[in-house]
Amino acid sequence: SQTIHQWPATLVQPVGSPLSLECTVEGTSNPNLYWYRQAAGRGLQLLFYSVGIGQISSEVPQNLSASRPQDRQFILSSKKLLLSDSGFYLCAWSDLLSNSPLHFGNGTRLTVT
Amino acid sequence: TQLLEQSPQFLSIQEGENLTVYCNSSSVFSSLQWYRQEPGEGPVLLVTVVTGGEVKKLKRLTFQFGDARKDSSLHITAAQPGDTGLYLCAGARYSGAGSYQLTFGKGTKLSVIP
Repeated sequence: SQTIHQWPATLVQPVGSPLSLECTVEGTSNPNLYWYRQAAGRGLQLLFYSVGIGQISSEVPQNLSASRPQDRQFILSSKKLLLSDSGFYLCAWSDLLSNSPLHFGNGTRLTVT
Repeated sequence: TQLLEQSPQFLSIQEGENLTVYCNSSSVFSSLQWYRQEPGEGPVLLVTVVTGGEVKKLKRLTFQFGDARKDSSLHITAAQPGDTGLYLCAGARYSGAGSYQLTFGKGTKLSVIP
């Protein structure tokens, strides 16, 4: 069966510090991978998605970046965090088929102080 | 502007009551998915509706996709405390190059009081 692992679960970082959140998927090949941010009262905002190794599409211009160094590994990074980067970050995967559901990790609660 | 409008945003009801959550849009979707999210966890898929007018039942939950595939509703019968959570609808649209994009509503936060 497929599983998705996301870590860390919680993170407190000062403004201006770097960020690296990691997500790995097991039990499937060539998945679509996604990073979402969820702020209170705003639903889910798509940040990045990837349809293959090294292929990253950005949905929202900001100081975050994403990379996919391996087929089932997706990394969200920042060189310098802003206060506004605080939120709940969710990694997800889906099959390439149309109407495929998203399978989410348990999220990372990031607080920038 | 929000592509998918969910209502109500918050709902607090007594155990045993019925409720309906709505998901509306002016856009047509190829499918619509409903998720439930509990605090500190990722959303979990409840159902996908694909055909206009489709009705799907999941125990006490009934999901309906509008005939024009622009809106959907979730009806819960005899709500239980275990139904408490954030309910999210998400519409899928073809975005080119063989891929589909999901757009999420802001969610309905449901609290069922014992």
